[in-house]
Amino acid sequence: KAGVTQTPRYLIKTRGQQVTLSCSPISGHRSVSWYQQTPGQGLQFLFEYFSETQRNKGNFPGRFSGRQFSNSRSEMNVSTLELGDSALYLCASSLVGIVGQPTEAFFGQGTRLTVV
Amino acid sequence: AQSVSQHNHHVILSEAASLELGCNYSYGGTVNLFWYVQYPGQHLQLLLKYFSGDPLVKGIKGFEAEFIKSKFSFNLRKPSVQWSDTAEYFCAAFLSLNYGGSQGNLIFGKGTKLSVKP
Repeated sequence: KAGVTQTPRYLIKTRGQQVTLSCSPISGHRSVSWYQQTPGQGLQFLFEYFSETQRNKGNFPGRFSGRQFSNSRSEMNVSTLELGDSALYLCASSLVGIVGQPTEAFFGQGTRLTVV
Repeated sequence: AQSVSQHNHHVILSEAASLELGCNYSYGGTVNLFWYVQYPGQHLQLLLKYFSGDPLVKGIKGFEAEFIKSKFSFNLRKPSVQWSDTAEYFCAAFLSLNYGGSQGNLIFGKGTKLSVKP
């Protein structure tokens, strides 16, 4: 069974540019979440998508956005990049089943974004 | 605000030593707890999880954790560490938005780096 796939693995962008990161979840998983990992702040939740709808959002500025497609693949976009956006961006997928049943998240290897 | 705290930033042990990594969470409702491990250059992998039932949870690679509700703690233990356990360990709590359901997000602790000397 293939895991969560994130592309690209590495990106270098210039301040002010925008970037799009991609995530393909495990087959059958309909929930996709995004996290930002930095040495200082650790792992912070960005947003979660389920059935093409954003269900939950973390405390990040509007420059961070995402979407999910009908095949559950998700993209994350960051506009007007700042130096502080340099981080490892992780995508996680979950099998969402019966309401009331918590699920575990499976993580991809991440996209390492460097803003110069 | 809900949070997860890990007591140790960096732990250094010799092989065969026992390990205990502390984790506390601040949330009064139903919480599901996880320990993830991140080996160098690899993705986060689930070590173990607690949803309900027996508070002593056994995971992969000989790890276990104990959920103590009265202390809001979920400490990770391993009786004898190996050099291959060198990694960063993250405690996480899943905070449900829909009354114990699957909608919500993980809140992570800052992580504990474990270095095991051969």
